[in-house]
Order: sequence, then structure tokens, then C-alpha cells
Amino acid sequence: DAGVIQSPRHEVTEMGQEVTLRCKPISGHDYLFWYRQTMMRGLELLIYFNNNVPIDDSGMPEDRFSAKMPNASFSTLKIQPSEPRDSAVYFCASSARDPTYNEQFFGPGTRLTVL
Amino acid sequence: KQEVTQIPAALSVPEGENLVLNCSFTDSAIYNLQWFRQDPGKGLTSLLLIQSSQREQTSGRLNASLDKSSGRSTLYIAASQPGDSATYLCAVGPLYSGGSNYKLTFGKGTLLTVNP
Repeated sequence: DAGVIQSPRHEVTEMGQEVTLRCKPISGHDYLFWYRQTMMRGLELLIYFNNNVPIDDSGMPEDRFSAKMPNASFSTLKIQPSEPRDSAVYFCASSARDPTYNEQFFGPGTRLTVL
Repeated sequence: KQEVTQIPAALSVPEGENLVLNCSFTDSAIYNLQWFRQDPGKGLTSLLLIQSSQREQTSGRLNASLDKSSGRSTLYIAASQPGDSATYLCAVGPLYSGGSNYKLTFGKGTLLTVNP
């Protein structure tokens, strides 16, 4: 298995532009997580899905952020409009069955820079 | 609100030394604790997962312990190697079981450098 795949690996955009980050989880995993990592705040959970359904989006910072999972093999995290404070590394992770008992597998991340 | 603290923030040791990384958490109502490794510019790799009913887990040269009542975990690395150089993160979760509410709370990590 190729592991969790994220694209793009790097994204540089200007303030006000729309940004879409993409994730392909490991085949067969029922849980998908989006995280954000910054120096100041560390690694934070933004939202997670179970069987393509959003379960907890309380970590999504603002209405400018939205996430979808149209099928079991694809998810997007969209920021519209983007702001410089959104600059961070965004990770996608997936887990098989209940994450209480199963480890999460992380993708390589997307480094987002908003100018 | 769960808070996870890792001390020290950075550690530098000579090759071959045994070392301990520390993790503490404020709310003992956890169901598991995980240790991850993060290499520069890369994602996280899960090293060990300890269920709340367990006291330790071992994988090769790594041993992680959990004392839920005191809110502490340690990651012991035996005979350290330069290839062990990375940031090690501790994470606890969830506060609630069953998959209906899940948040993995991370510490900010310990940057380990093993010098040859």
C-alpha cells in the first residue's frame, strides 16, 4: 500500500485566494483525520470523518474552512478566502476501525504558505 | 480541556546512550496514549500505542510506559543511534470512546539529536 497520499506537497498562494488540499486515505480505513501543525500551537485536530461522514468539526477554526469526503478514497480541505495566519503544515491521517484501539497513519503533509 | 506537556523540548546525546523522554497530561480519563516520531519535512510515524489498561509496550529498542493515575508516560530508547534523531511526539485520546467523539491531543514534542 502506498500509504496516505496528500497533494499538493507545497502550496504558495496570495491572501484571499481559495486553497484546496487533497487526501487519499489508506484503502479500507474507515476513519480520516485532518490536522494542522504550527510552531505556536503544535498539532491540532481540525475535523474527522467516519465512513465518509463528518463526526467532529469543532477544531475547524473558522467558517472559511470546510472539509468534504465524497467517497471512501478521497477527501478535501478547502480554505476560502485564505489568510496569512493559515500558513501551516496540514496533515491527513487515516485509521482502521475504532481509533481508540488502532494507530493512525499520517500522510507527508501539505506545507501551505499564504502571502 | 486536556493538555499534554513534553519535557525536555530538545535533547542531545552521544551515540549509544540510553535515554528517556517524558510526557505528562492533565486529564487521566484517557483511553490510549501514543508515541509518534516525526522526521524533518515528513509526516508522523506511529511508534507505540498503549491502551489505558496497559502499563507498557515494547518495540525493539523502544519501551513506553504509562501511569494513568499520575498522568505520565515515558519513552525509553536503548542504545541510541544517529538514525533515532527526530522529533518525538506524545498524544493522548480519546476522552470519550465509541468513535462518536474523538480528539487526539498532542504534546509539542521533544527534538532528539543523537551525535555519532
